[in-house]
Amino acid sequence: EDQVTQSPEALRLQEGESSSLNCSYTVSGLRGLFWYRQDPGKGPEFLFTLYSAGEEKEKERLKATLTKKESFLHITAPKPEDSATYLCAVQSAYSGAGSYQLTFGKGTKLSVIP
Amino acid sequence: DAGVTQSPTHLIKTRGQQVTLRCSPKSGHDTVSWYQQALGQGPQFIFQYYEEEERQRGNFPDRFSGHQFPNYSSELNVNALLLGDSALYLCASSLVGGRTEAFFGQGTRLTVV
Repeated sequence: EDQVTQSPEALRLQEGESSSLNCSYTVSGLRGLFWYRQDPGKGPEFLFTLYSAGEEKEKERLKATLTKKESFLHITAPKPEDSATYLCAVQSAYSGAGSYQLTFGKGTKLSVIP
Repeated sequence: DAGVTQSPTHLIKTRGQQVTLRCSPKSGHDTVSWYQQALGQGPQFIFQYYEEEERQRGNFPDRFSGHQFPNYSSELNVNALLLGDSALYLCASSLVGGRTEAFFGQGTRLTVV
């Protein structure tokens, strides 16, 4: 059974204070690892897809990295508008042809204080 | 591009009733997946539809059923509602093959009283 564990559950940062969120996973063959941002009461907003260990992707103040067992979402000099819940999800290579079943973690709630 | 749209945005139902939620996928997408997100939890996969057939199903009872129409839009039906069915229901669309991003709608907040 695929599993995703995110830590910490909640993180409070001062504006400008860089940090990292962790996503540990176990999956029977990784097809892709996904990061989403979710604002309260809204649907998840796609951020990144990583496919293989060593891959990195960046978008503004966010950088996602991937190893064989975990992924990190690095936030550099965060701003209050970065406050949200960040979700990590994995897609198994054995979930069936054409399948798009994602297994999500519970998320990390990030609060950036001005 | 309208993205993924869901209706209604909020819904209140009584225990034992039935509910239908609707989803229109992002333009160009042919696959629709449904997720249930309880408060404080990550989304949980319910099922996926492609070519008007259920292709994969998560660990949800038969009370949860769905349908996909020729225009790729989809419905999620839940029968005999329980209090525990209260959640945010999310629809995600993607292209078959799975190697593209899944885009989510804004969700339908279902409250069962």
